[in-house]
Amino acid sequence: QKEVEQNSGPLSVPEGAIASLNCTYSDRGSQSFFWYRQYSGKSPELIMSIYSNGDKEDGRFTAQLNKASQYVSLLIRDSQPSDSATYLCAVRQAAGNKLTFGGGTRVLVKP
Amino acid sequence: SAVISQKPSRDICQRGTSLTIQCQVDSQVTMMFWYRQQPGQSLTLIATANQGSEATYESGFVIDKFPISRPNLTFSTLTVSNMSPEDSSIYLCSVVLAGPNTEAFFGQGTRLTVV
Repeated sequence: QKEVEQNSGPLSVPEGAIASLNCTYSDRGSQSFFWYRQYSGKSPELIMSIYSNGDKEDGRFTAQLNKASQYVSLLIRDSQPSDSATYLCAVRQAAGNKLTFGGGTRVLVKP
Repeated sequence: SAVISQKPSRDICQRGTSLTIQCQVDSQVTMMFWYRQQPGQSLTLIATANQGSEATYESGFVIDKFPISRPNLTFSTLTVSNMSPEDSSIYLCSVVLAGPNTEAFFGQGTRLTVV
């Protein structure tokens, strides 16, 4: 079982719609959760961090965390073609400071 | 965030040779890491770069193949030794900045092709 799992996609959404990305993790003691966006040929860019249960909103992005279900999600509202990228879920495990990444979900926003 | 300068940005190397990648940060950092991203794959942690001591390597990575230095808080190098075509990948430096947050940021990456 992978430590951090994501649906690889591609997730195809029409422009203006909501894109919903999911991530599950296996280490129940994990405390810190992150979403990165990676454009092709570029390095990952941090877009959201979340540390406690519930929702966290930043602009068009909302991260949702449910530690009991070991589940973290990212919603992208009013999706734009510029949102087309691979989104990586990362989890900082309870022991140590290293991040474990999921396989990434490729998102395609079609005009 | 911080400015993370990683160089070279790309290189094409002959098999059997070595390449050293540099990572320089303009802010105080608590942690520095090196990742590898193979084509079409996610990120895999190679090691944690420890200041003034030997790096901590993940399973499947060894010091003889990927020696790492971190002489101070803001600078680290990763060497890919005795390269083979299987080492062709993107290598990424990552830092966690000093402060209350534990967010990690990435350098621009080094795209390595071994021929």
